[in-house]
Amino acid sequence: DIVMTQSPDSLAVSLGERATINCKSSQSVLFTSDNRNYLTWYQQKPGQPPKLLIYWASTRESGVPDRFSGSGSGTDFTLTISSLQAEDAAVYYCQQYYFTPPTFGQGTRVEIK
Amino acid sequence: QVQLVESGGGVVQPGGSLRLSCVASGFSFSSYGMQWVRQAPGKGLEWVSAIWHDGGNKYYVDSVKGRFTISRDNSKNTLYLQINSLRGEDTAVYFCARELPGVFPAPLDNWGQGALVTVSS
Repeated sequence: DIVMTQSPDSLAVSLGERATINCKSSQSVLFTSDNRNYLTWYQQKPGQPPKLLIYWASTRESGVPDRFSGSGSGTDFTLTISSLQAEDAAVYYCQQYYFTPPTFGQGTRVEIK
Repeated sequence: QVQLVESGGGVVQPGGSLRLSCVASGFSFSSYGMQWVRQAPGKGLEWVSAIWHDGGNKYYVDSVKGRFTISRDNSKNTLYLQINSLRGEDTAVYFCARELPGVFPAPLDNWGQGALVTVSS
């Protein structure tokens, strides 16, 4: 199975500052035939189900604020929150969906400093 | 709006069985692939199983193969997960979720609130 490794495990960021989460896959999730990276990001708040933020590594889901952006290709990906808001405190997961089974990273907890 | 409502969770002894249900509303259920994802208490997310929109293909994570069965009844807008031979490590909240169309496996754009399964003697 593909192993997804996120870093850091947690981070504390001041309101209005940038938060950056990294995700590395054990194999490339770039499908060369369509030139798309099969990588998604989810946000999960306590007691809630995950929420889809970004798919195809950089396509923002409808309704997701534009302060959330995804980048990267192949095996290395980044989720950036450009200006952290209080409501962004959550755990963030990356997931590859190139291979079955789809696999998640271990999660990164974002806290407000 | 899209709604997914799970039911059927509970406390079960090791070796026991449960059937989880997920009733969908607000969209054309028969047009979408569906998945189950679980989360052990205080832990991360684990993909469990997926089924095509027409039930024609089903997929499982290795740790549940032979014990879990995913199915759907499109006439009832309902997704199921039959869980047999339960083990302690199956204790988790089980989420049903809808896939984005167009690729398999797909990102999950709508999730239920989850059903808690606790395996305990």
